[in-house]
Amino acid sequence: HSVLTQPPSMSAAPGQKVTISCSGSSSNIGRKSVSWYQHFPGTAPKLIIYDDDDRASDISDRFSASTSGTSATLAITGLQTGDEADYYCGTWDSSRAGMVFGGGTKLTVL
Amino acid sequence: QLQLVESGGGVVQPGRSLRISCIASEITFRSYGMHWVRQAPGEGLEWVAYISHEESTKYYADSVKGRFTVSRDNSKKTLFLQMDSLRPEDTAVYYCAKYGEGFSLDSWGQGTPVTVSS
Repeated sequence: HSVLTQPPSMSAAPGQKVTISCSGSSSNIGRKSVSWYQHFPGTAPKLIIYDDDDRASDISDRFSASTSGTSATLAITGLQTGDEADYYCGTWDSSRAGMVFGGGTKLTVL
Repeated sequence: QLQLVESGGGVVQPGRSLRISCIASEITFRSYGMHWVRQAPGEGLEWVAYISHEESTKYYADSVKGRFTVSRDNSKKTLFLQMDSLRPEDTAVYYCAKYGEGFSLDSWGQGTPVTVSS
């Protein structure tokens, strides 16, 4: 089981908005900045959000994120079929002295 | 942006060893901490190991501690992962990634597949 908890799957129609949650604890999200990754199977994962809410280079402003306490949220607006991918949250865990990831959320754009 | 290319993956028997590599595109590689992350078939991302830019600090996931060793050669812009006593559950695609701002991994390689099977 992953240290960070994400919903396994989510779906929404093109043009709609989706929010993906990521729940952790005081040793990880509650203490360190959260990042979000987009992963198309068979390719390199791509950083989309770092430092809780900063967009990485060349990332559309349709992607945004926030953190509160021990939880984080990724929001994607104006959904496109090209957004279909797996999304992971991640951060450093002080107790484990290592990076931790969520189990990933498979996003389907219907 | 730093480009990363992994190599050295393959099929290996349980209990045997394998060393995989990750070569960077720029000499600025020497300034960055680096990570190894893996993804087993049908599973999510799992962090494996971290090494600081001058190799003074290393961390490992409990699942590989005592069996895997991370190292680097900054003069050759290369990161290594020595994997000993391999187990079937180590079967995965292994990615190297650069440590960026805010505890993020901001550059990733395409991955190299490792299969542990008899």
